[in-house]
Amino acid sequence: GAVVSQHPSWVICKSGTSVKIECRSLDFQATTMFWYRQFPKQSLMLMATSNEGSKATYEQGVEKDKFLINHASLTLSTLTVTSAHPEDSSFYICSARAWESMNTEAFFGQGTRLTVV
Amino acid sequence: DQQVKQNSPSLSVQEGRISILNCDYTNSMFDYFLWYKKYPAEGPTFLISISSIKDKNEDGRFTVFLNKSAKHLSLHIVPSQPGDSAVYFCAASAGSGGSNYKLTFGKGTLLTVNP
Repeated sequence: GAVVSQHPSWVICKSGTSVKIECRSLDFQATTMFWYRQFPKQSLMLMATSNEGSKATYEQGVEKDKFLINHASLTLSTLTVTSAHPEDSSFYICSARAWESMNTEAFFGQGTRLTVV
Repeated sequence: DQQVKQNSPSLSVQEGRISILNCDYTNSMFDYFLWYKKYPAEGPTFLISISSIKDKNEDGRFTVFLNKSAKHLSLHIVPSQPGDSAVYFCAASAGSGGSNYKLTFGKGTLLTVNP
């Protein structure tokens, strides 16, 4: 299957700093990427839909000024957690889907464990 | 309101036996369903999917059954193997023909296959 690479796999940062997470589609072009957040023993919650060359669409309750999403190319989307606080500690996962694919399967990155201290 | 429900947080089966993971949904607009497998600290891995025009899809040891009238689907794994031990997420989408589809996930079921 297609490969989606997410970096870093884990990061620890101090409260008040910003953290950038990258999501790359390695062998296909992804016009749309999705960012999820998962709390322990909870489902994956969609945060936002990232569209190449345009603004991201955020789900209700997600602060767009805090979770900045950039999708500058067909293979890269970034999520920046700005002014991180301990409550932002979570597992963040991206997924991508090829634009030409008729299959609605989405491929996921390996996730990023963010810990804010 | 949870649109995709996995009511069993965990399931334990013996190696070689059948594992049956269940999923219910409430949104009648959902027309495509997927199962993902997830290990701790890793992203989900796609397992198998089914379109609402079908009631069964099989891929090796994995079979997904869809009962649209009951808004219920299940994943059967047979025979179960210890390597199958993971969290299994049921996901659904509406309007699968478009490119900007969203997946709605259940909370997952932790499957443990005992040797």
